[in-house]
Amino acid sequence: GESVGLHLPTLSVQEGDNSIINCAYSNSASDYFIWYKQESGKGPQFIIDIRSNMDKRQGQRVTVLLNKTVKHLSLQIAATQPGDSAVYFCAENLPRWRFGAGTRLTVKP
Amino acid sequence: DGGITQSPKYLFRKEGQNVTLSCEQNLNHDAMYWYRQDPGQGLRLIYYSQIVNDFQKGDIAEGYSVSREKKESFPLTVTSAQKNPTAFYLCASRGQGSTNEKLFFGSGTQLSVL
Repeated sequence: GESVGLHLPTLSVQEGDNSIINCAYSNSASDYFIWYKQESGKGPQFIIDIRSNMDKRQGQRVTVLLNKTVKHLSLQIAATQPGDSAVYFCAENLPRWRFGAGTRLTVKP
Repeated sequence: DGGITQSPKYLFRKEGQNVTLSCEQNLNHDAMYWYRQDPGQGLRLIYYSQIVNDFQKGDIAEGYSVSREKKESFPLTVTSAQKNPTAFYLCASRGQGSTNEKLFFGSGTQLSVL
């Protein structure tokens, strides 16, 4: 069946570099999306969200881009830090919340 | 963890035993959810409740049961019928309306089989 997925299961970057994590969502009717960060053994933490009437939204060091034409989301993290090491996954809201498996981001010092 | 408390953090189940995972929230949220997380997989919905005294099966409800007697509490029981219960269990909640759609998660319970 359809699922929210990710292009890359792992991503390794140097400290200070920018990171880009991608996500393909499945339902063209979804109108709200969230990126979560999950550290090992902990619950997911909200990072940033975006509604379908927007293409881009910026937070502190993070930016989410939404391309509805190809049902694609990306999360950009600027100046990646060791504390950013975690699994990141996207979520779409319709018909019920669906979650990607996640990308593991590792930041090398 | 956003006002959602899950306990215990670690739980061990013996064969044939039922175990209950606790989830309490002080966010005044109407909707609560239970998800199962297995390594390398996305979260899968077990049960959800939109309002007190009502709940619905999710995608993988077999072997699980829930109750929603209070707005703040949504306990999950893993019954002996669940043959592969080892997983990380996450409780979540959200408010009502388009401005309160964010799902907030608890810190999780790791369930293992002895």
